Amino acid sequence: EDQVTQSPEALRLQEGESSSLNCSYTVSGLRGLFWYRQDPGKGPEFLFTLYSAGEEKEKERLKATLTKKESFLHITAPKPEDSATYLCAVQDPRAAGNKLTFGGGTRVLVKP
Amino acid sequence: DTEVTQTPKHLVMGMTNKKSLKCEQHMGHRAMYWYKQKAKKPPELMFVYSYEKLSINESVPSRFSPECPNSSLLNLHLHALQPEDSALYLCASSQAQGATGNTIYFGEGSWLTVV
Repeated sequence: EDQVTQSPEALRLQEGESSSLNCSYTVSGLRGLFWYRQDPGKGPEFLFTLYSAGEEKEKERLKATLTKKESFLHITAPKPEDSATYLCAVQDPRAAGNKLTFGGGTRVLVKP
Repeated sequence: DTEVTQTPKHLVMGMTNKKSLKCEQHMGHRAMYWYKQKAKKPPELMFVYSYEKLSINESVPSRFSPECPNSSLLNLHLHALQPEDSALYLCASSQAQGATGNTIYFGEGSWLTVV
């Protein structure tokens, strides 16, 4: 069965302290890797879709990159409002309807 | 702001009640989804509708009954639920089910508490 593993499970940062979140996956024939941000008690908010190794996408202080086996979400000079759980998910071409498989998430807390 | 709207935001129901969760999207998407999310866990897929037809049921108990009245609306009918069914229920939509790189957009969710 395909696995999506996110690390670390939790990350405490000082404001301005850059860091990276990891999402490793085992699915073959990846059709898309998705990053979402989720605030407590709310639905996941779409951030990025990555399709192929070497691809990078940026949005404000966030930058997502993709290799053949993992993706990184870099947070540059984070602010307290970047505190959230970050979820990655992969689209499995072998699952019915190209179902998304989610990782367990990384809870990020940015302290002022 | 999300373009997938869910109502109600919070629902408390007894184990003998019948209630419904509602979802609406105005993005012209043809696939709609119900997910269930427990605290500190990722969303789990429950149902997928594609072109208003149920295409995936992830072995969900029959006390959950989905309905897709039209391409913009999705309901989840609830009956005889158990306390362990308490969770955040997420509606989502995408352009089409199964397409490569098919981005799924989520609503804000409905918090369900079963007492």
